[in-house]
Amino acid sequence: GENVEQHPSTLSVQEGDSAVIKCTYSDSASNYFPWYKQELGKRPQLIIDIRSNVGEKKDQRIAVTLNKTAKHFSLHITETQPEDSAVYFCAASNRGNYGGSQGNLIFGKGTKLSVKP
Amino acid sequence: DTGVSQDPRHKITKRGQNVTFRCDPISEHNRLYWYRQTLGQGPEFLTYFQNEAQLEKSRLLSDRFSAERPKGSFSTLEIQRTEQGDSAMYLCASSLSADYGYTFGSGTRLTVV
Repeated sequence: GENVEQHPSTLSVQEGDSAVIKCTYSDSASNYFPWYKQELGKRPQLIIDIRSNVGEKKDQRIAVTLNKTAKHFSLHITETQPEDSAVYFCAASNRGNYGGSQGNLIFGKGTKLSVKP
Repeated sequence: DTGVSQDPRHKITKRGQNVTFRCDPISEHNRLYWYRQTLGQGPEFLTYFQNEAQLEKSRLLSDRFSAERPKGSFSTLEIQRTEQGDSAMYLCASSLSADYGYTFGSGTRLTVV
């Protein structure tokens, strides 16, 4: 099955700086890679995702890159703001056992991002 | 439908008791997932349904755990003979189909004393 490694576990940046979080996955059949933001005491919320037929995707200050050959993907946050402080999780789709479709998502352990004003 | 609903939000139970949680997904979503999250960890997969069919169950999942999704709508997760190690946040999520992002519920926080 799929295995997802996420680094770093904690990240502290100054407001306005960029933050980069990296993930690696093990199953070359994975084809969907979402990122979730979880604020303290709240549910994880999808912030951006990328599919295996795309190398990069951007949404305002957030971008995600995917390197299928190396089996790693990264989240980039530019011009960080204090409200970006949260735990960020990467995930990779896990090949299901039925009909060849993707099954569930496997999550990384998370990165706690702190943005200092 | 404004999102995924979970009930109860909190549950405190004595060791050895059975507990049941409910999840109401977004109505047009075919897939429903159960995850467990402990402090400082990412969500850990438990099981998922496509409509009413339970397609996968984590190998790590004890036989004390069972889930149902009758009629392909809401789902229940039951834990029998609870243990202290079952204490966690139980998250439900739904998605339109495979390869679509999940919408998570607020979770049920279980504390076994």
